[in-house]
Amino acid sequence: AQKITQTQPGMFVQEKEAVTLDCTYDTSDQSYGLFWYKQPSSGEMIFLIYQGSYDEQNATEGRYSLNFQKARKSTNLVISASQLGDSAMYFCAMTLTGTASKLTFGTGTRLQVTL
Amino acid sequence: GAGVSQSPSNKVTEKGKDVELRCDPISGHTALYWYRQSLGQGLEFLIYFQGNSAPDKSGLPSDRFSAERTGGSVSTLTIQRTQQEDSAVYLCASSPQGTDTQYFGPGTRLTVL
Repeated sequence: AQKITQTQPGMFVQEKEAVTLDCTYDTSDQSYGLFWYKQPSSGEMIFLIYQGSYDEQNATEGRYSLNFQKARKSTNLVISASQLGDSAMYFCAMTLTGTASKLTFGTGTRLQVTL
Repeated sequence: GAGVSQSPSNKVTEKGKDVELRCDPISGHTALYWYRQSLGQGLEFLIYFQGNSAPDKSGLPSDRFSAERTGGSVSTLTIQRTQQEDSAVYLCASSPQGTDTQYFGPGTRLTVL
């Protein structure tokens, strides 16, 4: 079974600053995918970024990047140049690759961007 | 293109009634998933479809819950004899063949009085 742990229930960051959201995972499988989703107050889950377990480079998507440390089983999300619109819940999730299997989610981190 | 759509967006029902929740996946996506999000339980997987078959129903909490998918497209989640603990947001997601990334709809907020 897979497990995702997000230890930061809430975070604050000032506009234009960078912020790191932590995520650790546990699995005995070697082939897996790691995801981050954003859920604003409207409720929709928005896919942000993906990292495969065999990817050697850290994934980046615009202002989002991952600090993937496979040996530590962590995949922290870095948001650079925070904007007010980044205020939302952020969920880390994982799935086993190639099996079209379910996502296992963490409990989420609520990020508040301040002026 | 159009994203995943779900209807209704909100549903209020009385305890004991049956409800049907609908999901329209992104066109061409072969895999479809249902999840439930509630305050106490977080995000929980319910069921997964590949085409019209459901290889994984392990998350359905009881036999009051069932789901079907027709034509490899639209899916309906049915909850019979609703209970107050069924109150949650029900999220649907789809993914194209060859990728693990799931794209979510806006959800249906179910309130059981």
